[in-house]
Amino acid sequence: GAGVSQSPSNKVTEKGKDVELRCDPISGHTALYWYRQSLGQGLEFLIYFQGNSAPDKSGLPSDRFSAERTGGSVSTLTIQRTQQEDSAVYLCASSFVQEQYFGPGTRLTVT
Amino acid sequence: DQQVKQNSPSLSVQEGRISILNCDYTNSMFDYFLWYKKYPAEGPTFLISISSIKDKNEDGRFTVFLNKSAKHLSLHIVPSQPGDSAVYFCAASADYKLSFGAGTTVTVRA
Repeated sequence: GAGVSQSPSNKVTEKGKDVELRCDPISGHTALYWYRQSLGQGLEFLIYFQGNSAPDKSGLPSDRFSAERTGGSVSTLTIQRTQQEDSAVYLCASSFVQEQYFGPGTRLTVT
Repeated sequence: DQQVKQNSPSLSVQEGRISILNCDYTNSMFDYFLWYKKYPAEGPTFLISISSIKDKNEDGRFTVFLNKSAKHLSLHIVPSQPGDSAVYFCAASADYKLSFGAGTTVTVRA
């Protein structure tokens, strides 16, 4: 079956611009997560959506970061006024129970 | 505050031999542990997991061991194959959030 998909796969943007990253989770998965992986680091939790509950935004590094999940399915992560330290691979995962299944990620480069 | 630590950034092993990857954690509330494998330019792939009520879980060539008193888990791959060359992440969960280690790069030599 189809796995988690993310778009774009690569994004190069200029410092100060806004970017939107998209995630399509596995159909039927109620939970959706965003992580980011900076060079040489492990995965850093950003935000979690579960059904209709209020999202857990505790991992978002600043108020420039926001995320939405429409209709309990597709999610968009938005980074406003990008900074060079935002450069990383942004990974989306979805789950039904505890095992999370990851998409291929979006590599964001801020120049 | 790194709650999950993989102290070996890399591991080189000969094909056919055992690979042992180690992971330590600090949060005693963690009750579920997972290993993920990651190839370049791909997302992490779930490999194997273990609940805190067990001390061993086996799936084919992969076995995960959990020592709760030492807050330590390990992944054994036997026998190692060239396709196992990848980055392996240890992860732990207390609720729904996963805390990840920094990863161990495994290279299997022919």
